[in-house]
Amino acid sequence: DAGVTQSPTHLIKTRGQHVTLRCSPISGHKSVSWYQQVLGQGPQFIFQYYEKEERGRGNFPDRFSARQFPNYSSELNVNALLLGDSALYLCASSFGRTGEPYEQYFGPGTRLTVT
Amino acid sequence: KNEVEQSPQNLTAQEGEFITINCSYSVGISALHWLQQHPGGGIVSLFMLSSGKKKHGRLIATINIQEKHSSLHITASHPRDSAVYICAVASYNTDKLIFGTGTRLQVFP
Repeated sequence: DAGVTQSPTHLIKTRGQHVTLRCSPISGHKSVSWYQQVLGQGPQFIFQYYEKEERGRGNFPDRFSARQFPNYSSELNVNALLLGDSALYLCASSFGRTGEPYEQYFGPGTRLTVT
Repeated sequence: KNEVEQSPQNLTAQEGEFITINCSYSVGISALHWLQQHPGGGIVSLFMLSSGKKKHGRLIATINIQEKHSSLHITASHPRDSAVYICAVASYNTDKLIFGTGTRLQVFP
């Protein structure tokens, strides 16, 4: 079975541009979470989507947005890129049913560099 | 103060040594995860714990809910265990993970 996939693997953008990152969860998983990992730090929670609805949002500006599609894949969009947005963006999927903790499976990440 | 604290931040060991990494947290959780991250970024889930102890091969994870503390042990460490080990806690009723800053482990032959 395929694991969590993310695209692209690497991306270079300039300040002020917009970027879209994509994630496909493991088959059967309905929850997708996005995390930002700046070099040398632990990941920070950005969003969680379950059954196409936003379940949680981290402390990130409105320049960050996301959505989940009927096939449970997800996109993370970042507008007006800043140098500080340079990071590894990780996607994780799980079964995600309310009230129960589930193991999360991480994708390989998208490394975004903003110049 | 971070909600999830790990110690030590860096750890070096000789092959065969017993390794312990500690994690303390200050929030209510539904589960605690131990994750492994290799250079290049890929994260692998090692354990998810709600109580007690779990063992997988040479890895053992324990959690004390009352003391809000967890430990990851590696027995008979090997150079291939070299990686960053991250503790993360899951908030109630969500999959949102709050991560520690990680422990960088290097095992030398």
